[in-house]
Amino acid sequence: EIVLTQSPGTLSLSPGERATLSCRASQTISSNSLAWYQHRPGQAPRLLIYGASSRATGIPDKFSGSGSGTDFTLTISRLEPEDFAMYYCQHYGISLWTFGQGTKVEIK
Amino acid sequence: EVQLVESGGGLVQPGGSLRLSCEASGFAFSTYTMNWVRQAPGKGLEWVSYISFSSSTIYYADSVKGRFSVSRDNAKNSLYLQLNSLRADDTAVYYCARYRVFGTASAFDIWGQGTMVTVSS
Repeated sequence: EIVLTQSPGTLSLSPGERATLSCRASQTISSNSLAWYQHRPGQAPRLLIYGASSRATGIPDKFSGSGSGTDFTLTISRLEPEDFAMYYCQHYGISLWTFGQGTKVEIK
Repeated sequence: EVQLVESGGGLVQPGGSLRLSCEASGFAFSTYTMNWVRQAPGKGLEWVSYISFSSSTIYYADSVKGRFSVSRDNAKNSLYLQLNSLRADDTAVYYCARYRVFGTASAFDIWGQGTMVTVSS
């Protein structure tokens, strides 16, 4: 089973700053199998990125995904108040979907 | 509007059962594979189950295999999760999520707001 490890656990930043979130897989995975989600408390999770780097419908271009192999990155170019939330990476394998443990982006 | 609405959560004793529902609207439910995902208090997201559009393919996480059962009724635009032999560590918000294929990639593109299941005596 692929294990996804996200870092850091918490990212403390100010509005306007750039956020860089990491997701590392325990073994090489296909970029097609990697997605990123935003989850605000009390709300439904929201798909941001699929296929490691493609933005989902309606997702602003301040969100970007990159990476390959075992190392993947979600970048938020300039943080706005609504961006402070939990972020999860997700991998799908054969009959199994796994999430990373999440990175909390909080206001500094 | 594309929407998923879960219901059926509540307080149940250990060993008990519960049936969750997810009603879909705004899209052709019968053509989409669906999933259940849960989030325990203070924890991250955990995938629970997958069911193909025709119900021909079903998968479960090891943590729920043999205790949970997923089904769907395409005529009613509804997805279900039967939870049996519930344990305290099944306490979580349960989300239904639509599975979408984007060429060679795929992801859960639409999620419901979730329904809370609490297992406690």
